[in-house]
Amino acid sequence: SQKIEQNSEALNIQEGKTATLTCNYTNYSPAYLQWYRQDPGRGPVFLLLIRENEKEKRKERLKVTFDTTLKQSLFHITASQPADSATYLCALDPSGAPKIIFGSGTRLSIRP
Amino acid sequence: NAGVTQTPKFQVLKTGQSMTLQCAQDMNHEYMSWYRQDPGMGLRLIHYSVGAGITDQGEVPNGYNVSRSTTEDFPLRLLSAAPSQTSVYFCASTRGGGGAGYEQYFGPGTRLTVT
Repeated sequence: SQKIEQNSEALNIQEGKTATLTCNYTNYSPAYLQWYRQDPGRGPVFLLLIRENEKEKRKERLKVTFDTTLKQSLFHITASQPADSATYLCALDPSGAPKIIFGSGTRLSIRP
Repeated sequence: NAGVTQTPKFQVLKTGQSMTLQCAQDMNHEYMSWYRQDPGMGLRLIHYSVGAGITDQGEVPNGYNVSRSTTEDFPLRLLSAAPSQTSVYFCASTRGGGGAGYEQYFGPGTRLTVT
């Protein structure tokens, strides 16, 4: 069956360190993969999109990689801050239509 | 721009009641979607629309109806509410397509409880 898996356990990181979150997928061949941030009680907010022919994409302190052979994306936050604490969701559009499927998310906590 | 708006923010229904969750966007996006979010299960796609008059099913469409008469509005109807539909519902408006990938913009959500 088709699945998107993210670390189900919360990730606790010391402020200033790099946080790395993992998104694995099976039985999909997506052309794009997206990452979103969700704060408690709010809707997800779009962060980054990476294409299958892009190995890496950066935006300020964020970096995303996309390995279509491993079927995996890594999401990095460098110089992490307590304000980065949130749940991070990966998503993809498996069919090319705007029928976007989400992973269950990883909760990230940055301690001062 | 208001972005994506959803009403109501909270709703309590009794089993068997019907209701409509409203969603509107002012970004002139062709694509819109409805998701439900349950603890530990992430966002699951209910229905989506690729334009006025065109809708399609997502992963969990049973018990829900949608229609899209205008670009701006995409209401979600529960015809006969069941406790299993207790959830937080998010509407999203989607930019992109044509080979550029998609970016979704979400509303603030509706928290629905069915007793």
